[in-house]
Amino acid sequence: DADVTQTPRNRITKTGKRIMLECSQTKGHDRMYWYRQDPGLGLRLIYYSFDVKDINKGEISDGYSVSRQAQAKFSLSLESAIPNQTALYFCATSDARQGTGNTIYFGEGSWLTVV
Amino acid sequence: KNEVEQSPQNLTAQEGEFITINCSYSVGISALHWLQQHPGGGIVSLFMLSSGKKKHGRLIATINIQEKHSSLHITASHPRDSAVYICAVRSMSGSQGNLIFGKGTKLSVKP
Repeated sequence: DADVTQTPRNRITKTGKRIMLECSQTKGHDRMYWYRQDPGLGLRLIYYSFDVKDINKGEISDGYSVSRQAQAKFSLSLESAIPNQTALYFCATSDARQGTGNTIYFGEGSWLTVV
Repeated sequence: KNEVEQSPQNLTAQEGEFITINCSYSVGISALHWLQQHPGGGIVSLFMLSSGKKKHGRLIATINIQEKHSSLHITASHPRDSAVYICAVRSMSGSQGNLIFGKGTKLSVKP
């Protein structure tokens, strides 16, 4: 089983619909992230969370919300999807403890198309 | 100007060639990551560097903190190395949550 699991892997949705992308991890990491990737652009941070009670906006949080339901779960919601939110979305985790190297682990990605 | 620049953007090589991908950054960093993204989309962490050099199999990553530059080398390249290679830095300032990503280098290794 993958260390970081994203669902769904692919989704086509209509403009105005609410959609949730879910992420779960088995690494036991405290830090979780949501990124989006667009062609020709680097990965951009949407939201991040350092523990269950900590939620922080990234550089492109407008139009998105998140929920950290448990240490292992971090979901991303598009309340009213629009076509320019069509992208590949990645969940990631890292471990802030000393000596872990702070390696980042990515999920397989979720392709979202808004029509 | 992007804070993390990679070169080249695209690279085609013949199987067996030695490959170098470069990453330059303009901010103070605590660490630099090299990532690999395969055509299916998944991203895997290859290295995390804060100084010096690391080697894993045919892959070697180096970093020069003074020059703000890192290189990823692939020896004896193989078609299965075809992927997008992404450099990302963890800035010493700004949000602790944020890695700053380069746009990636698309590598294609021909048999």
